Amino acid sequence: GQNIDQPTEMTATEGAIVQINCTYQTSGFNGLFWYQQHAGEAPTFLSYNVLDGLEEKGRFSSFLSRSKGYSYLLLKELQMKDSASYLCAVRVSGNQFYFGTGTSLTVIP
Amino acid sequence: DSGVTQTPKHLITATGQRVTLRCSPRSGDLSVYWYQQSLDQGLQFLIQYYNGEERAKGNILERFSAQQFPDLHSELNLSSLELGDSALYFCASSGSTSGSYEQYFGPGTRLTVT
Repeated sequence: GQNIDQPTEMTATEGAIVQINCTYQTSGFNGLFWYQQHAGEAPTFLSYNVLDGLEEKGRFSSFLSRSKGYSYLLLKELQMKDSASYLCAVRVSGNQFYFGTGTSLTVIP
Repeated sequence: DSGVTQTPKHLITATGQRVTLRCSPRSGDLSVYWYQQSLDQGLQFLIQYYNGEERAKGNILERFSAQQFPDLHSELNLSSLELGDSALYFCASSGSTSGSYEQYFGPGTRLTVT
């Protein structure tokens, strides 16, 4: 089966840096995605990693290690609007997608 | 605004009934994905269509079916509804270019089964 794990909740301070981890055990791995979802809204795409390494996009960076089945999303210079749920998702062969249950991030002043 | 539209926004129906959810992808996107999101199970991939053909199947119940029409809009049909089918149903679309797997999600349809 496919298994994706993320912490359920995290809290961080405005202006700080936070790292949200995701570990996965899947067969036929074909890429890892991070999405942001505000309460009651649709998920929005943040990043896509298919090769090992770090992808940087403004205040957001995502890292992937395929050999370790591990990824993290790094958010810098946290803002109050970053309070949301962050979803890790894996694409596997057959073009299927599996999402983690999400990490609810609360940014405090 | 992702460019993906879904109707209706809310739907309340009774157990045993059948409903149809509709999705229009972003202009130019050939792939449509359907997801179910409930509080206890997170986002579950149901099914994907690409240019009218079924491409991938996830955890979709036999009571559920979908199709994609020539104009690329898609419909998800849910029948013999049960209380446990109450959830947010999202449609997403992705680009036509090779290797483009970034998905754009619609606003969702909230289904309540009573």
